[in-house]
Amino acid sequence: DIQMTQSPSSLSASVGDRVVLTCRASQTISNYVAWYQQKPERSPKSLIFAASSLQNGVPSRFSGNGSGTDFTLTISSLQPEDFATYYCQQYHSYPPIFGPGTKVDVK
Amino acid sequence: QVSLVQSGAEVKRPGTSVKVSCKASGGTFGRSGISWLRQAPGHGLEWMGGTIPFFGTINSAQRFQGRVSISADESTGTAYLDLSSLRAEDTAMYYCARAPDPTGEYYFDSWGQGTLVTVSS
Repeated sequence: DIQMTQSPSSLSASVGDRVVLTCRASQTISNYVAWYQQKPERSPKSLIFAASSLQNGVPSRFSGNGSGTDFTLTISSLQPEDFATYYCQQYHSYPPIFGPGTKVDVK
Repeated sequence: QVSLVQSGAEVKRPGTSVKVSCKASGGTFGRSGISWLRQAPGHGLEWMGGTIPFFGTINSAQRFQGRVSISADESTGTAYLDLSSLRAEDTAMYYCARAPDPTGEYYFDSWGQGTLVTVSS
């Protein structure tokens, strides 16, 4: 199975900060990466697919980039509602695998 | 986006089975897929298996094979997860999620609200 790693595992940030989260695949996966946001006691919310395509309704301050093995999720200006855990997921190869997540909390 | 509504929380004894349902708003899946995922307390997301009801395809993760059964009723737009031989480690929140790509690419755009399954003697 392809393994996904995320860094950092957690980070503290302030409202208005630019935040960059990183995801790395154990082998090349083209652009078959999705990103999800999850708040405590809530279902995941889909943000991005195909590495850089925003799901409908996702604010434009979220952007995704990358191809091959290295991917990033950028929040251009962190908002109060963005404090959450973010997961990347590969769907290049079966089975789909999620990274362990990056928790973004208040500095 | 499609709304997915799951059945309620369950408490089960070890060795028994649980069946969780997931109903799509509008009562149809179209050509999209439905996957089942779980999240143990304090842990990340794990894909268990999925189906594309229109094409009748079903796949499940190897670690659950023999214990998991995934099905769907296209007439009601409802998908089901059956997990047998339950053990304490199966205690988790179980989610259904829609995979919008009809070719079977497993990325998800809508999620159910989750069903908590607790396995305890």
